[in-house]
Order: sequence, then structure tokens, then C-alpha cells
Amino acid sequence: SQTIHQWPATLVQPVGSPLSLECTVEGTSNPNLYWYRQAAGRGLQLLFYSVGIGQISSEVPQNLSASRPQDRQFILSSKKLLLSDSGFYLCAWSADRVPQPQHFGDGTRLSIL
Amino acid sequence: DQQVKQNSPSLSVQEGRISILNCDYTNSMFDYFLWYKKYPAEGPTFLISISSIKDKNEDGRFTVFLNKSAKHLSLHIVPSQPGDSAVYFCAASGVTGNQFYFGTGTSLTVIP
Repeated sequence: SQTIHQWPATLVQPVGSPLSLECTVEGTSNPNLYWYRQAAGRGLQLLFYSVGIGQISSEVPQNLSASRPQDRQFILSSKKLLLSDSGFYLCAWSADRVPQPQHFGDGTRLSIL
Repeated sequence: DQQVKQNSPSLSVQEGRISILNCDYTNSMFDYFLWYKKYPAEGPTFLISISSIKDKNEDGRFTVFLNKSAKHLSLHIVPSQPGDSAVYFCAASGVTGNQFYFGTGTSLTVIP
């Protein structure tokens, strides 16, 4: 069966520091991969999605970036974090045939101080 | 602009009764809809989906209804159980299926 791993579960970072969140999927090939953010009291906001290695689509302009160095690995990065980057970050995957449900990891709670 | 809206932030229901969660959308190009359940500090879990060619889809205690003319969908849980207490999100996508738009969620509390 397919599983998705996302780490770390919680992270506290100072303003201006870099960020790297990692997500890996097991048990499937060529998945579509997604990064979402849930700010307090808000819905899930799609940040990036990828349909293949090296293919990244950005939905919201910001100081975050995403990379997909391997088929089942998706990384969310920032060179300098802002206070507004605080939130709950979720990675998700779906089968490459659309439409298909997305399946989520357990998320990373990011707090910026 | 919020294309998928859940106007009720919270809902309380007695155990054994029906829970009805509502969702409205504005984009007539959406043709695939899903419901997710989320517990605190966990990622959302997929519950049930419906495509625009249907108006009802059922899976055990969960039924989703779609009213395309009203751009409205609802999730019915019958009978409600205390373990159903969670935040429920609806989501919608268009023909590409890559971009899902989520509502802000409804927190359901099932009272024993």
C-alpha cells in the first residue's frame, strides 16, 4: 500500500533562517505531489504541485520554493523565513491519472519566532 | 477569493442522529468534489468523492449529495458516532484534477 512520510512534525525557526521540509511517498510510481499550507482559521492553500521530476507549478507568489529531485521526493524550501510563514504545512500525493483523491501526510507545524 | 465555502464553522449533533455538513462553490467548471476528515495535528483523510455526472454517492454511513444548479454539496453522516468528531473539509477541482480548492472546514462534535 502507499504511504507518505513528512518530517519534521514540528519546527521552530527564527525569522530570517532557512527552511527545508521533506516529503517522500512509498508504494507508487510517478505520483502527483503537492504542498499545502493551512494558516490559523483558514482552509488549505495550495502552494506548489508537481507532475514529474523537476516539474514544479507555483500557485502563490511567496518566498518559498519547491523541488522534486526524485520521483517520490518533494522538498519545500525557503532561504529566509518571514513571520507570515508560520502555519501547518501539508504534503500530499495523488495517482497520476486525474481526477483522483489526494492523500495527505501528517503535516509540519512551523512556528517562526 | 474563496471558491469553495463552508459557511458553518462548527456543528454539534447527538450520537445516533444525522450530521449534515454543507459546502458551496462558485466555479461552474469544477467537476470533481471530495470530503476530507481531519483530526488535530494530523493530515486530512480522504472520505468520499463525487463527480459532476452523479448527484449522489454513498459509502457506508457517509453520503455525499451534489446539486450542480445550486453549486452546493453536502455530506450526510448517519448515524453519527463520537469518533466522527473532527474537522471536515470539502474540496473541488476542475478537469485537470491537479488543483484542488478547499473550504475552511466545519468542526463537527458528536455528543454521546
